[in-house]
Amino acid sequence: ILNVEQSPQSLHVQEGDSTNFTCSFPSSNFYALHWYRWETAKSPEALFVMTLNGDEKKKGRISATLNTKEGYSYLYIKGSQPEDSATYLCAFINTGNQFYFGTGTSLTVIP
Amino acid sequence: ETGVTQTPRHLVMGMTNKKSLKCEQHLGHNAMYWYKQSAKKPLELMFVYSLEERVENNSVPSRFSPECPNSSHLFLHLHTLQPEDSALYLCASSQDFSGRAVYNEQFFGPGTRLTVL
Repeated sequence: ILNVEQSPQSLHVQEGDSTNFTCSFPSSNFYALHWYRWETAKSPEALFVMTLNGDEKKKGRISATLNTKEGYSYLYIKGSQPEDSATYLCAFINTGNQFYFGTGTSLTVIP
Repeated sequence: ETGVTQTPRHLVMGMTNKKSLKCEQHLGHNAMYWYKQSAKKPLELMFVYSLEERVENNSVPSRFSPECPNSSHLFLHLHTLQPEDSALYLCASSQDFSGRAVYNEQFFGPGTRLTVL
């Protein structure tokens, strides 16, 4: 069984605060790391597809970094807004093209 | 219709029933996937089809039977399910399966909430 760990499981932040969470995955047989955002009652939507060690991706106020050698990725949200409230999922894809999702970090932004 | 659609959105069935979940993608993608989301557990990949051929079957019980008649449609046939099979079943598609990593980006449907009594 391959473990993809996300921490924290949940967090509540005030509107305007910046926050970050972690995805940990095996450092061997790495192919890609995906981040998805899943709002309640909607479908998960891709945020980033990351492949290279040291990759940094940015989309608006959200950014992500990748360290394949130590097996972690960070997702950062700058100046959180209520519409950022969602569950953020990471998925580790190995060189065999097998997908392993974490259990997600549930973010609530309090107005 | 755009994106990935799933029907029905909710399904309640008895353990002896036979039912099917349907997924349709309007994105021109070559790969389609079935996932299971149980409470407090990560998304579990069940099946992958690439160009209408099954390429992944992750030790899923035979009471779940997938079918991919063409690259736009994917079915999950259900029979003699157990109460522990109650979950959210998500369908997804991607441009391709394998090749460049960006082509594996998943486009998800809204899911079918299944309850087995």
